[in-house]
Amino acid sequence: DIQMTQSPSSLSASVGDRVTITCRASQSINNYLNWYQQRPGKAPKLLIDAATTLQSGVPSRFSGSGSGTEFTLTISGLQPEDFATYYCQQSYTVPRTFGQGTKLQIK
Amino acid sequence: EVQLLESGGGLVQPGGSLRLSCAASGITFSNYGMNWVRQAPGKGLEWVGSISGSGSTTNYADSVKGRFTISRDNSKNTLYLVMSGLRAEDTAVYYCAKETDQYTTRPGNWFDPWGQGTLVTVSS
Repeated sequence: DIQMTQSPSSLSASVGDRVTITCRASQSINNYLNWYQQRPGKAPKLLIDAATTLQSGVPSRFSGSGSGTEFTLTISGLQPEDFATYYCQQSYTVPRTFGQGTKLQIK
Repeated sequence: EVQLLESGGGLVQPGGSLRLSCAASGITFSNYGMNWVRQAPGKGLEWVGSISGSGSTTNYADSVKGRFTISRDNSKNTLYLVMSGLRAEDTAVYYCAKETDQYTTRPGNWFDPWGQGTLVTVSS
């Protein structure tokens, strides 16, 4: 199975800050990497697919980059609604594995 | 608008069985593969398994293989997860999630949308 490792596991930041979350795959997954946002008590929501493609309706302050084994999710200009947990997921092969999550908290 | 609504969660004793359902609306259900993903309390997301749009292909996580069965009834727009031999570590919120297309093993697919989840608690 492909292991997905996110860093950091938690992150404190302020409204307006720029933050970056990293996701590493245990082997190359090309660009088959998705990002999800999960707010407390809610279902995950797809933000980005294919490492860089922003879903319709997702604010442009979210961006994704990377390929192969290393990927990043960047949020530029944090808004109060962005404080949530973020997960990466590889869609290169089955089983579809997720990173352990990065909890973004208000400083 | 695509909507997924899970049901069937509850309290079950270790070793017991439970069937979860996921009712879909707003899509031609048979055109899409479906997934089950679970989240233990305070933990991350774990893919449980998937089924293709036709129902001919299923895949499972090793942690549930041989104990859980995924099926679907396309005439009822409903996805099922039958869980048997339940263990305390199966306690979680179970989400259903729609695949990008009818295939569940195609590289590059994603899960969207997700249902609101249903809580399964395994305890004596």
